[in-house]
Amino acid sequence: AQSVTQPDIHITVSEGASLELRCNYSYGATPYLFWYVQSPGQGLQLLLKYFSGDTLVQGIKGFEAEFKRSQSSFNLRKPSVHWSDAAEYFCAVAPRGNQGGKLIFGQGTELSVKP
Amino acid sequence: EPEVTQTPSHQVTQMGQEVILRCVPISNHLYFYWYRQILGQKVEFLVSFYNNEISEKSEIFDDQFSVERPDGSNFTLKIRSTKLEDSAMYFCASSEGIGATNEKLFFGSGTQLSVL
Repeated sequence: AQSVTQPDIHITVSEGASLELRCNYSYGATPYLFWYVQSPGQGLQLLLKYFSGDTLVQGIKGFEAEFKRSQSSFNLRKPSVHWSDAAEYFCAVAPRGNQGGKLIFGQGTELSVKP
Repeated sequence: EPEVTQTPSHQVTQMGQEVILRCVPISNHLYFYWYRQILGQKVEFLVSFYNNEISEKSEIFDDQFSVERPDGSNFTLKIRSTKLEDSAMYFCASSEGIGATNEKLFFGSGTQLSVL
């Protein structure tokens, strides 16, 4: 069955520390891959997406993600976390060729940032 | 940046009542979506809508659910007879072009529906 797994429900990092949020997917073929962020009281905002090509994808707010086909992973990273990065982060996939707008989301990882 | 607007932010209803959740997509967008997130669970796709028709729907989107674009600006989700398990955060989204794969989806901040 198609699925997206974010193994960490909650992560706490210190401000200025590096961050890696994990995402694994289970699909027949490599899907399109996305990371979204949801700040309190806000909607989901697209951070970055991978369709093809360079496996290291740059996004907004200093985030990047690396697609690793061999590991079926698409982990999100940031070299230095800011307090404003505290939010919930969602990994999502869409099947290649999907034209209906259906995204399949992971459980989400809540990020807390310590001063 | 343009926004998708959802009203109300929180709606409380009694089991068995009809509820309508409202969304104002971004003005030049043509594709509209509803997702929901039950507390502690994943965000789930409900339905996509284009050209006054449903493009795709999930198993969740049964006969109790319907969507409508009643005028040029609103996009609504109606639940005919709410159940306790319909309690969730409902997200509306829109995109300029077709599908999530080619276009950026803009999400609203959600309507928290509580069914008592």
